[in-house]
Amino acid sequence: DGGITQSPKYLFRKEGQNVTLSCEQNLNHDAMYWYRQDPGQGLRLIYYSQIVNDFQKGDIAEGYSVSREKKESFPLTVTSAQKNPTAFYLCASTSGGTGGYADTQYFGPGTRLTVL
Amino acid sequence: DQQVKQNSPSLSVQEGRISILNCDYTNSMFDYFLWYKKYPAEGPTFLISISSIKDKNEDGRFTVFLNKSAKHLSLHIVPSQPGDSAVYFCAASATNSGNTPLVFGKGTRLSVIA
Repeated sequence: DGGITQSPKYLFRKEGQNVTLSCEQNLNHDAMYWYRQDPGQGLRLIYYSQIVNDFQKGDIAEGYSVSREKKESFPLTVTSAQKNPTAFYLCASTSGGTGGYADTQYFGPGTRLTVL
Repeated sequence: DQQVKQNSPSLSVQEGRISILNCDYTNSMFDYFLWYKKYPAEGPTFLISISSIKDKNEDGRFTVFLNKSAKHLSLHIVPSQPGDSAVYFCAASATNSGNTPLVFGKGTRLSVIA
């Protein structure tokens, strides 16, 4: 049963604490992505990785960090430097390195992070 | 600067009628376009796509039209059903410009009224 899993579904943290969101895929996809969704803002790209041990900043990378030590895993750390961390976080993957033609992007179910 | 724009934040349609969701883009390098559907608290699911070599792609009740000269695409859903109520995202990619991620619009919330 292939797909993308994100855990947990809901996460609560105190202000000032770092928190790591999990994203795992068993689709054998090379590229993985992290997005943030806020009301009325659509999907904004945080970080992406085209291949293991390599990643690039997206449009809103400040206050976030990632790692890509394994093909299947792309965890996202929300640091205390992120000014407004409460949001819905989505992980996605594509088979190719481009996210483009014939490479449909598949999404996980998301993690709702609330910082108190 | 938004490269993919969905100017209508919301749309209401009666059940059985046609829903038309619009999307405009500014980057002339975009050559592949996708529509995603998203329910609350869930990840988006892929709906339909179109390459710039085509001007229409159809899949059941869903049809996407592409007008390259106007840099405009639209998603038609007919007939609309209550289960179609969701947020729809338009996305675009420049496949010949190296490894670039999809660029998403801000979404349009569709409400299908029974």
